Amino acid sequence: GQQVMQIPQYQHVQEGEDFTTYCNSSTTLSNIQWYKQRPGGHPVFLIQLVKSGEVKKQKRLTFQFGEAKKNSSLHITATQTTDVGTYFCAGPLGGSEKLVFGKGMKLTVNP
Amino acid sequence: DTEVTQTPKHLVMGMTNKKSLKCEQHMGHRAMYWYKQKAKKPPELMFVYSYEKLSINESVPSRFSPECPNSSLLNLHLHALQPEDSALYLCASSQFVGLYYNEQFFGPGTRLTVL
Repeated sequence: GQQVMQIPQYQHVQEGEDFTTYCNSSTTLSNIQWYKQRPGGHPVFLIQLVKSGEVKKQKRLTFQFGEAKKNSSLHITATQTTDVGTYFCAGPLGGSEKLVFGKGMKLTVNP
Repeated sequence: DTEVTQTPKHLVMGMTNKKSLKCEQHMGHRAMYWYKQKAKKPPELMFVYSYEKLSINESVPSRFSPECPNSSLLNLHLHALQPEDSALYLCASSQFVGLYYNEQFFGPGTRLTVL
């Protein structure tokens, strides 16, 4: 069945560093969403990408949707301790409204 | 009001108990969802309600029984649960069910422990 895979699953960075995390789908996605879940918290919607090659920025976060709409990336510039949490990408399953979440990328930041 | 509320925050129940989880939103959203999340795992979809009708049941055991009394409320009735059902239960809502622009707003969750 359709899967959404995230790499890496864990990322530990020094405060101030940049890093990128990736999300890959086994099938073409109509759109992709990104969520952030802080430790002990609940998922919070960050962004949705719909168009092929789309790039959206939110302050230090840059989201990109691949040209083939099968992958996406999240780039964080100058990581801060407030960025700590697990980042999930999610896409609709095979034309349905069911959202399939990737396994998540847990980010820890060394101050 | 852009909030999804859930009660209770924590729940401990025995395997013979009957309890209910409640979820409420006042954003006018017509789609509501129940997810189950185990530690260090992504949210796993259980049920989807669209316009107060059950549209997706992800083969969830019958000991979980959802109910949508109106467009703002969503309940999850629990009966004869097993210890492996212990998890964080998340409610979410979106403007509608569809492929596009259906970003989901999650509630804080109910942390359930089954003894």
